[in-house]
Amino acid sequence: DAGVIQSPRHEVTEMGQEVTLRCKPISGHDYLFWYRQTMMRGLELLIYFNNNVPIDDSGMPEDRFSAKMPNASFSTLKIQPSEPRDSAVYFCASSRQSGETQYFGPGTRLLVL
Amino acid sequence: QRVTQPEKLLSVFKGAPVELKCNYSYSGSPELFWYVQYSRQRLQLLLRHISRESIKGFTADLNKGETSFHLKKPFAQEEDSAMYYCALRGSNFGNEKLTFGTGTRLTIIP
Repeated sequence: DAGVIQSPRHEVTEMGQEVTLRCKPISGHDYLFWYRQTMMRGLELLIYFNNNVPIDDSGMPEDRFSAKMPNASFSTLKIQPSEPRDSAVYFCASSRQSGETQYFGPGTRLLVL
Repeated sequence: QRVTQPEKLLSVFKGAPVELKCNYSYSGSPELFWYVQYSRQRLQLLLRHISRESIKGFTADLNKGETSFHLKKPFAQEEDSAMYYCALRGSNFGNEKLTFGTGTRLTIIP
């Protein structure tokens, strides 16, 4: 298994543009998590899904951020419109069942100019 | 719930003992973890307190009185250089949320 797959690995965009980050969890994992990592705030949970259903989105910064999981093998995190303060590394993680280890993807490094 | 790692940077000589500090605040019985990120690798679980294992020579004991979960290793090795994150998960049923500290970058000096 290739583990959690994220794309793109790097994204540079201009303020105001729409950004879509993608994640493929490990096959058979029921939970999917989106995290954001910044120098100031460290690693923060944005949202997580169980069986494709959003469970806790209390970490989503504002309405510009949205996340979907249309099926068990794919999730997107969208930022529209993007702002320079959104520049960060975004990680996706998945876990098989409740209480089990979360496995992280390689991250997407986003730079908004 | 909150996790505090007071040291952003820690440098230790090879062969010396290592201790990475982690303190938490949570009104209940949390589950504590240490995650590690080696250079150009993914963030990965190092150990969790309920397992009570030693991984790569590292151990961590949950001290509920001091609300701490410090990571220790008696003799540092060069390959231990990495970013270390302490994390907490609450004990309420169905809560999968991990709260991370801001991390400590450990550098082992040859």
